[in-house]
Amino acid sequence: GAGVSQSPSNKVTEKGKDVELRCDPISGHTALYWYRQSLGQGLEFLIYFQGNSAPDKSGLPSDRFSAERTGGSVSTLTIQRTQQEDSAVYLCASSLVMGEQYFGPGTRLTVT
Amino acid sequence: QQPVQSPQAVILREGEDAVINCSSSKALYSVHWYRQKHGEAPVFLMILLKGGEQKGHDKISASFNEKKQQSSLYLTASQLSYSGTYFCGTELSSGGSYIPTFGRGTSLIVHP
Repeated sequence: GAGVSQSPSNKVTEKGKDVELRCDPISGHTALYWYRQSLGQGLEFLIYFQGNSAPDKSGLPSDRFSAERTGGSVSTLTIQRTQQEDSAVYLCASSLVMGEQYFGPGTRLTVT
Repeated sequence: QQPVQSPQAVILREGEDAVINCSSSKALYSVHWYRQKHGEAPVFLMILLKGGEQKGHDKISASFNEKKQQSSLYLTASQLSYSGTYFCGTELSSGGSYIPTFGRGTSLIVHP
């Protein structure tokens, strides 16, 4: 079946612009996660959704970051007024069972 | 608060064995393992839910010692395809929800 998909795969933006990253989870997966991974680094948890609600937003690095999920399916991560330190690969994952996550291919964000 | 992995890196020849350890200062209720190949998304390997549980498929297995708050991943007779970065993860309780958190990763390189 279809896995997790993310778009765009690559995004180059100028400092100060807003960007939207999209994630399509595996159909039927109730939980959806966003992570950030800088070059050669581990997985930095940003936010997760159970259904359409986000129980914990404390992982978001600043108030420039926001995320939403609609219809228990697609999610968008929005970064406002991008900064160079936002450059990273943004990974989305979905799961039906806690701990068993299936990752999308990621969006590589470059802020110039 | 993230799990601590050791070693940071392992270099092997094909056919050799390796052990990757994951420990936590907080109580572990479950441990999950992922492998990430260069330029790709992490792939779920297995999850251990009970202390003392051992799992495995092919020649990769893992154990979970709940009392010692640690887990180990065993790679037997390593193959070239085992190369990648291995992450252990768990869920930390946070304000009534469970936040996924991962170790920094162990880089495994298998040479012919």
